[in-house]
Formats: sequence, C-alpha cells, structure tokens
Amino acid sequence: GQNIDQPTEMTATEGAIVQINCTYQTSGFNGLFWYQQHAGEAPTFLSYNVLDGLEEKGRFSSFLSRSKGYSYLLLKELQMKDSASYLCAVRDENYQLIWGAGTKLIIKP
Amino acid sequence: ETGVTQTPRHLVMGMTNKKSLKCEQHLGHNAMYWYKQSAKKPLELMFVYNFKEQTENNSVPSRFSPECPNSSHLFLHLHTLQPEDSALYLCASSQEGGTSHEQYFGPGTRLTVT
Repeated sequence: GQNIDQPTEMTATEGAIVQINCTYQTSGFNGLFWYQQHAGEAPTFLSYNVLDGLEEKGRFSSFLSRSKGYSYLLLKELQMKDSASYLCAVRDENYQLIWGAGTKLIIKP
Repeated sequence: ETGVTQTPRHLVMGMTNKKSLKCEQHLGHNAMYWYKQSAKKPLELMFVYNFKEQTENNSVPSRFSPECPNSSHLFLHLHTLQPEDSALYLCASSQEGGTSHEQYFGPGTRLTVT
C-alpha cells in the first residue's frame, strides 16, 4: 500500500529552527508537496520538490531524497504565526496526491 | 484568500436531510477536487474532475454525489448521511498539464451530521 509518515506533533521555540520529516512509500513518484494549514483554515501551498536537493524560499526550505523516500521541511527564525499543521503529500504514478496526516507544530515564546 | 470559495462554511444536518455543498474557483484552473478531512487523519480524496469530466471516484458511498456543471463550479450533494460523515469537506483546484500542479484549497465546509 501507499504510505506517508510524518510526526504527529512537534514543539519548538520562537526564533529557533525546526525540521519536520516526511518519509514515503508510494507507487511511483511525480513530486512532493508541503502545505501549511492553520486551525480552521484551508491548506496553503508551501513548496514543491521533484528533483533531489534543497529548495529554499525565504525562511522555509524543503529537501528531497528520492532514493531514500525522504523529505524534510526546515523552518528558520520561527515566529508564533508558524504554529500550524504541516502536510506532506506525494504525487504517485497516476498523478494522484497521497497525503500524510500532518504534523502539528507548536511554537512557544 | 486563495481564489477558491466554499459555501456554506458550517452545516448541521440530520441523517434524513438533503443538502448541497458549493465550491467556486476564480483561478481559471481545469481540475477540481473534493476532499474529506477528519481529525488526525490524512486528507481523503473523494472526487476529481478534469475538464468537467469525473476522473476519480475513490470508493465513495453513493450518499455523496458530485456535480461539475462547468470548470469553475463544483457541487457535492448529500443525502441520508451518517454521523461518521461529520468532517471538514475541502474543495481544491489546480491547473493540470503545467509544471508543479499545486492545488489551491477553499476554506472548507464543517459538516456535522446529527
């Protein structure tokens, strides 16, 4: 079966750095997405990786290793507004998105 | 504001009611999706429409019936639902045939079945 694993919850301190990991086993691979979802709101697109390596976008970076079935989302200079759930999703061989259950990130002052 | 709107935002219905959820996208996209989101579970894809044609129906019970009259509008018709259908229903759209295919989500309809 297809599976996306990510931690259920993480806690970090304002101003610090946090890394949220995602591992996947899917039938085929056509890209990996990270989304942010604040409580009661819609998921919003953060990043897309289809080739190995690091994609940087401001305070957020996303890394992909296709051979290891692994990605991480790196958040720097954490702000209170970064408290949210972070969803990892992989596009499989049929171009369907397979979603993880999300990682709830709690930022403490 | 993502360019995808959903109404209503909240809905409480009895098991014998019939209601419809509406989604509209203002992004010129050619694909639209219905997802179910339950607490602490992955997003569940329910239906996919590409160019107004339904391309996926992931074993969704017949009490959920989608309708896509044009590429900008998507409906989910509900009837004789069960309490376990209570969840957040999210609509999304994307431009298929492009490079990254990211999906843009609406704010969702919080459905409670009593």
